Amino acid sequence: NAGVTQTPKFQVLKTGQSMTLQCAQDMNHEYMSWYRQDPGMGLRLIHYSVGAGITDQGEVPNGYNVSRSTTEDFPLRLLSAAPSQTSVYFCASSRGGGSGETQYFGPGTRLLVL
Amino acid sequence: GIQVEQSPPDLILQEGANSTLRCNFSDSVNNLQWFHQNPWGQLINLFYIPSGTKQNGRLSATTVATERYSLLYISSSQTTDSGVYFCAVVGTTTDSWGKLQFGAGTQVVVTP
Repeated sequence: NAGVTQTPKFQVLKTGQSMTLQCAQDMNHEYMSWYRQDPGMGLRLIHYSVGAGITDQGEVPNGYNVSRSTTEDFPLRLLSAAPSQTSVYFCASSRGGGSGETQYFGPGTRLLVL
Repeated sequence: GIQVEQSPPDLILQEGANSTLRCNFSDSVNNLQWFHQNPWGQLINLFYIPSGTKQNGRLSATTVATERYSLLYISSSQTTDSGVYFCAVVGTTTDSWGKLQFGAGTQVVVTP
């Protein structure tokens, strides 16, 4: 199993540009989520999905869109990048989102918005 | 939402020393995990421990759910233990489902 994979590893954008961060998992997990990590802070939940076709907002959803067309993939879209979105982005997955479920994290994508 | 506080924020250890990290949370939880973020940024799941005690090598963890805290013990620390340790919880309320809430972490530096 590759586990949770993310691409790209690094990205530099200019303000106003758009891009999609890719996340895929091969563990047949129903639950997937996106977090951002800013310096000196823990991770904050952006969006999550409990299965294909179902998504919901987390703590910091503004400026980001998601969709879940397959169980395996959960891309995160930045429609118009802003410097405040400079961060490290982590994707995670688990069998479910509630009790008893260990979440597994991808290696992260470092994003710099100029 | 549920609040998660970790202490201490920073810890410097000499190799071979023991240490205890603490995680306090403000409400009932049905999921608590400890993670280690290594210096390369990778997040590694250490324990899933909403209650009770678990051990894995030199690491062990105890969660006292009724008193809303969890402890992570590092024994005979090694330089490879350096990094940031995060506690993360999922609350029991309907609007908490699926939302892993992280503490700010404890930065650990183990010196040779």
